[in-house]
Amino acid sequence: QITLKESGPTLVKPTQTLTLTCTFSGFSLSTRGVGVGWIRQPPQKALEWLAHIYWDDDKRYSPSLKRRLTITKDTSKNQVVLTMTNMDPVDTATYYCTHVNWGGAYYYFDLWGRGTLVTVSS
Amino acid sequence: QSVMTQPPSASGTPGQRVTISCSGSSSNIGGNYVYWYQQLPGTAPKLLIHRNNQRPSGVPDRFSGFKSGTSASLALSGLRSEDEADYYCAAWDDSLTTWVFGGGTKLTVL
Repeated sequence: QITLKESGPTLVKPTQTLTLTCTFSGFSLSTRGVGVGWIRQPPQKALEWLAHIYWDDDKRYSPSLKRRLTITKDTSKNQVVLTMTNMDPVDTATYYCTHVNWGGAYYYFDLWGRGTLVTVSS
Repeated sequence: QSVMTQPPSASGTPGQRVTISCSGSSSNIGGNYVYWYQQLPGTAPKLLIHRNNQRPSGVPDRFSGFKSGTSASLALSGLRSEDEADYYCAAWDDSLTTWVFGGGTKLTVL
């Protein structure tokens, strides 16, 4: 059974850097075809893809946020870390960690963590 | 303002069939797979449909996905009160080089 759980601060100040950790179980990020991603959802708004990382350390970022995002993996700990710099109140959202189902010519986000609400406020 | 357009709301009575539309363009729906997610109140999104019309194991066959040209739709038959949720479409956009999501449709079961 695959599970994913997000952890990190619930409150950050403007201009600070946010660091979120996704701890997962039921799969290994060293297995071909596996990936972990991050998607966020501002309150009462739609979903927004942020980034994801594959088993081979290939990383993909949202073009609009690429300069602010860094995604890394620690295979031995079954963790993926997302950092976002220069946080702003508009970044207030629930941040979800997702399992990426890779099929070669396609991929998608099939399983999600429960999410963690991050509020940006001074 | 989302790149893919969904009606903000939809409704139906128990047992009815309801359809939720998702309108995009040639750079997203027109050239890539469409995915549908269900988000029950206060919970994380759940994958309902992948690659246009495929149901993950455990998703009832009451849920069906369709795609034609630059539009897609999600059909729910035999509507139940527990289907009351927000529904989102998603696709990769070749021009924007990002995943795009519809604005979501809130389904109410009357």
